[in-house]
Amino acid sequence: AQSVTQPDIHITVSEGASLELRCNYSYGATPYLFWYVQSPGQGLQLLLKYFSGDTLVQGIKGFEAEFKRSQSSFNLRKPSVHWSDAAEYFCAVGAHSGNTPLVFGKGTRLSVIA
Amino acid sequence: DGGITQSPKYLFRKEGQNVTLSCEQNLNHDAMYWYRQDPGQGLRLIYYSQIVNDFQKGDIAEGYSVSREKKESFPLTVTSAQKNPTAFYLCASAVQTGAYEQYFGPGTRLTVT
Repeated sequence: AQSVTQPDIHITVSEGASLELRCNYSYGATPYLFWYVQSPGQGLQLLLKYFSGDTLVQGIKGFEAEFKRSQSSFNLRKPSVHWSDAAEYFCAVGAHSGNTPLVFGKGTRLSVIA
Repeated sequence: DGGITQSPKYLFRKEGQNVTLSCEQNLNHDAMYWYRQDPGQGLRLIYYSQIVNDFQKGDIAEGYSVSREKKESFPLTVTSAQKNPTAFYLCASAVQTGAYEQYFGPGTRLTVT
């Protein structure tokens, strides 16, 4: 069964600084990988996804993520953070075959300071 | 507009009462999901459904029940057997179960006192 770990519970960055949120997965084959964002009291919105092909994927709101098979990672990055990026971010992993639902990490809360 | 609706946004109940949370989607998705979210716990899967009249228990199904009589609807009942029902509940749907992106509703915050 697949699993996912987000090592950082809470990260604080300054507005305009770069951001990297970590995600490590466990799965025997090539996984399907997702990043979602959740504003307080809201549902989750998909930022980007990786299924195959180019290991650097672009998403909405200026985010990108890179799949690194050797490190079992799918870290989310943004070159310059805006105050509106403050939210909770969830990484999720899906199995290549079968009907197993996505498995979500516990999330990383991002705070942005002036 | 296609999407998922959850109602109500806030729900208050007395302890010992069953309560049903609504989830409707017009995306023509086969799969639907219910998650519970508590601070620091991430998303925990309660139940999911692959198709009408079929559903599977997730990781924390005890104290909850669901039905899937229509493709568009997947209501969740929080029963009096659920020991800690106060939480934020999220419904999601996807084209199919498995590694397909899930689309989420806005959530319902349930408070039981």
